[in-house]
Amino acid sequence: EVHLLESGGGLVQPGGSLRLSCAASGFTFSGYAMSWVRQAPGKGLEWVSEISAGGDSIYYADSVKGRFTFSRDNSKNTLNLQMNSLRAEDTAVYYCAKNYFGAPSAFGLWGQGTMVTVSS
Amino acid sequence: DIQMTQSPSTLSASVGDRVTITCRASQSISSWLAWYQQKPGKAPKLLIYKASYLESGVPSRFSGSGSGTEFIFTISSLQPDDFATYYCQQYNSYPGTFGQGTKVEVK
Repeated sequence: EVHLLESGGGLVQPGGSLRLSCAASGFTFSGYAMSWVRQAPGKGLEWVSEISAGGDSIYYADSVKGRFTFSRDNSKNTLNLQMNSLRAEDTAVYYCAKNYFGAPSAFGLWGQGTMVTVSS
Repeated sequence: DIQMTQSPSTLSASVGDRVTITCRASQSISSWLAWYQQKPGKAPKLLIYKASYLESGVPSRFSGSGSGTEFIFTISSLQPDDFATYYCQQYNSYPGTFGQGTKVEVK
């Protein structure tokens, strides 16, 4: 069964750091671009970042550029999102998502999400 | 960035109703549009991609149409499981942007 499972969310103070992970299973992970999408409480969806299948091309939303780093390990079928200099407006549920095809792309598979709360 | 505008923001409907949601793009996105369903506390679920292609396993009462800047999402006969929030998303160019969502609620 195809599956994505995020972890690493939690409460962090403004200016702090957090590292999210996403474990993939049930599909050929190295063959797909992957993305992070977030959703602030009670708000809509916001695309955060995308990484190509091989990890050599990475795109970021302007709102996180220079603060977040997206990486992948195709040998372990995992994604990582390193989030630094966190702000209150980064508070959201973070979903990892499998690109449907190509890039940019629709998202055909989503994880259950992990909550990140930035607050003092 | 391409802005996506959905209407209405909220829609009150009854089981069996035909439901239509509109999504407009601030510039042409060809047919690079997806529709998602999201229920409270759950991840979004892809329903439609490339404006009109039904994702595998999605009931045929869901459909999409349009190209360029105007797109329509239709539920032909609303079922109890369909009360949810629906989002459009353009993936013509980075950043992929979403509409603000349309909540389909019980009338």
